[in-house]
Amino acid sequence: AQKVTQAQTEISVVEKEDVTLDCVYETRDTTYYLFWYKQPPSGELVFLIRRNSFDEQNEISGRYSWNFQKSTSSFNFTITASQVVDSAVYFCALSETGGYGQNFVFGPGTRLSVLP
Amino acid sequence: KAGVTQTPRYLIKTRGQQVTLSCSPISGHRSVSWYQQTPGQGLQFLFEYFSETQRNKGNFPGRFSGRQFSNSRSEMNVSTLELGDSALYLCASSHGSQRPYNEQFFGPGTRLTVL
Repeated sequence: AQKVTQAQTEISVVEKEDVTLDCVYETRDTTYYLFWYKQPPSGELVFLIRRNSFDEQNEISGRYSWNFQKSTSSFNFTITASQVVDSAVYFCALSETGGYGQNFVFGPGTRLSVLP
Repeated sequence: KAGVTQTPRYLIKTRGQQVTLSCSPISGHRSVSWYQQTPGQGLQFLFEYFSETQRNKGNFPGRFSGRQFSNSRSEMNVSTLELGDSALYLCASSHGSQRPYNEQFFGPGTRLTVL
């Protein structure tokens, strides 16, 4: 069965600090997709990134970067020079492709508070 | 392109009633998935519809049902509401027919309160 763990329930940082959100997943499939979503106070989930299991290259997008390590089943997310607008709940999600149709499993989320 | 829309945004019902929530996916998207989000259980997958057929189903009781219309709009219905059904119900759309699967785009949600 697939499972996503985000051990950090809440994190508080001061603006301009770097912060890393951890994500550990479990799956029996060899082909799968990992995602990060942001949920601001408005409630709508915003897509941040998708990574497939065959692509272990790290990715950087502005202040955001992602570190995917299959050996440790982790897909961590780092925000560099955090800003107050980064305050939100961040979800890591896993989608296996073995089944037919969408089959997303979300982690419990990490609430990030960036203080001015 | 318009995003995913959900109506209504807020709903208050009493125990025993039933409720219908609506979701209009992004134009061209044929897959609609529904999720329930609660503080205790987090985001849980309810079901997915593709081309008017339920393609995948989560672990929820039969009181939760859905359907999809030919224009890809989807509705979910909860019958005999219980207090524990109070939650944010999120709808997500995606192309659904392409492998690898594209990311899902989420609507703003419907917040259901059961009194």
